[in-house]
Amino acid sequence: AQTVTQSQPEMSVQEAETVTLSCTYDTSENNYYLFWYKQPPSRQMILVIRQEAYKQQNATENRFSVNFQKAAKSFSLKISDSQLGDTAMYFCAFMKHESGNQFYFGTGTSLTVIP
Amino acid sequence: EPEVTQTPSHQVTQMGQEVILRCVPISNHLYFYWYRQILGQKVEFLVSFYNNEISEKSEIFDDQFSVERPDGSNFTLKIRSTKLEDSAMYFCASSEQDRGREKLFFGSGTQLSVL
Repeated sequence: AQTVTQSQPEMSVQEAETVTLSCTYDTSENNYYLFWYKQPPSRQMILVIRQEAYKQQNATENRFSVNFQKAAKSFSLKISDSQLGDTAMYFCAFMKHESGNQFYFGTGTSLTVIP
Repeated sequence: EPEVTQTPSHQVTQMGQEVILRCVPISNHLYFYWYRQILGQKVEFLVSFYNNEISEKSEIFDDQFSVERPDGSNFTLKIRSTKLEDSAMYFCASSEQDRGREKLFFGSGTQLSVL
């Protein structure tokens, strides 16, 4: 079974600073995808970034980047130049390549950006 | 940008009543999903649906639950006899068929309150 662990229930960061959210996962699969989703107060789930396990290069999307360590099964999210609009719950998610798109989510990290 | 639409945004019902949660997935998507999030807990997979049948379901998705695609646009989740523990935010999601483009697009959710 796949499990996703986010060990930081809450975090805060000063505006314009950098923050890193942690995520670890457990799987016996070799081919999979990893995602970070943002859930603002509106409760909508918004895709932030994704990483294919077979790619060694870390994914980057503007101010968002990941540190993917496949051997360690770690997938952290770095947010640079934090903005007030980044305040949200962030979920790490895992998907097996051939699972029929069943995702496994972590419990989320609540991030607050302080002005 | 295309989006997944869910209605209603908030549903209140009495225990034992039937509820139907409605979703309009993105028009060219072929895979459909329901997830739920009990307050303060992680997002949990309920069911995936493809080609007019359930492709996968979790242990949560028991005989009380059913899904249907009654026409070419709607995707519904029915709970036959609601229980207090069914109170949660229910998210609908859809994705494209193409391999290598496994992005889930979520709706804004329906908050179900069972009294």
